[in-house]
Amino acid sequence: DIVMTQSPATLSVSPGERATLSCKASQGVSTNLAWYQQKPGQAPRLLIYGASRRVTGIPARFTGGGSGTEFTLTISSLQSEDFAIYYCQQYYKWPPWTFGQGTTVEIK
Amino acid sequence: QVQLVQSGAELKKPGASVKISCKASGYQLQFYGVHWLRQAPGQRPEWVAWMNAGQDTTKSSQKFQGRVAISRDTSANTAYLEVIGLTSEDTAVYYCARLFGASGAFDFWGQGTLVTVSS
Repeated sequence: DIVMTQSPATLSVSPGERATLSCKASQGVSTNLAWYQQKPGQAPRLLIYGASRRVTGIPARFTGGGSGTEFTLTISSLQSEDFAIYYCQQYYKWPPWTFGQGTTVEIK
Repeated sequence: QVQLVQSGAELKKPGASVKISCKASGYQLQFYGVHWLRQAPGQRPEWVAWMNAGQDTTKSSQKFQGRVAISRDTSANTAYLEVIGLTSEDTAVYYCARLFGASGAFDFWGQGTLVTVSS
């Protein structure tokens, strides 16, 4: 199975600042990588697929990048509604589809 | 619009089984695969099992081999996940989800069903 590792575990950021989240795959996944946002009591919400393609309706402040084994999700100017847990997920080699352990973006 | 609505929370004893439903609206389940994932408290989502659009293929994670079964009622546009031999480690929120187009990302998720296994 492909293991996804995210860092940092927690990111403390002030509103309006930039946040950069990292995701690494244990083997190359090309650009078969998605990012999700999850808030307490809710299902994950798809933000980015194909490593860098925003889902319709996702604000432009969310930017995904990378390929192969290293990926980033950047939130350019954090809004109050962006404080949440973010997960990456690979779909290069399946089953299983695998997720990272998550990065919590909290208010500084 | 697309919506997946799951059945309510379940409390089960160790060794019991549980069957969760997932009713789709806004699209026909038979033309899409249905996936089941779960998320234990404070943990990452974990993929559990999948039934493809043609209903001729089901796959489950090695971790659950022999303990999970997916089924689908096309007339009710509803999918089901049954888990047998429950242990406390099966306590989690279970989600059904749909794949986004030809990608392997999950664009629509059910609201989740909490399954608690406790004696």
